[in-house]
Amino acid sequence: DGGITQSPKYLFRKEGQNVTLSCEQNLNHDAMYWYRQDPGQGLRLIYYSQIVNDFQKGDIAEGYSVSREKKESFPLTVTSAQKNPTAFYLCASSMGRAAIYEQYFGPGTRLTVT
Amino acid sequence: DAKTTQPTSMDCAEGRAANLPCNHSTISGNEYVYWYRQIHSQGPQYIIHGLKNNETNEMASLIITEDRKSSTLILPHATLRDTAVYYCISGTGANSKLTFGKGITLSVRP
Repeated sequence: DGGITQSPKYLFRKEGQNVTLSCEQNLNHDAMYWYRQDPGQGLRLIYYSQIVNDFQKGDIAEGYSVSREKKESFPLTVTSAQKNPTAFYLCASSMGRAAIYEQYFGPGTRLTVT
Repeated sequence: DAKTTQPTSMDCAEGRAANLPCNHSTISGNEYVYWYRQIHSQGPQYIIHGLKNNETNEMASLIITEDRKSSTLILPHATLRDTAVYYCISGTGANSKLTFGKGITLSVRP
């Protein structure tokens, strides 16, 4: 089955630790995205990548880092510099660079930092 | 990208049509209107998008007013599984960015 996988579904970390969230897609999509969602809120864009080895900051990139070494993978690292890392993190991909292509979302990772 | 405004919530009876409104009064000529939905604790799901003309697919219909300042998403026969948050988004496609607001919570009652 084609789709986007995110792992793990739930993740717990101690404050001050970096943590990396996995996102893999087998849809052969060029573009990939990371969003953050807080309770009762919409999605906010963290980073996006339109092509391998290239990525751009979204609206709330501070405290996060990404890499795009392979077309299929777009891992997100939540660093200790992120002030409020506890949130629901969603990865998405789309066929092309333009937003006329719908975005396909993974099931999300719920990160809790204490 | 143009800002969209949606009511906070609405409900409808199972089996009836659900009409979800969206205002995008500042939309520009090259901006699309997209609808996504998010069932609790899952990733959002694409529903439909359009530019000027009305659109229909197996999930829903999208009616865009002639002046493009507002649109309505229609779920023709709502089921309990349609209970979700529905996001109306507008964007040009530049840099692949879409901005998700808080959306409208649709509750389908038995």
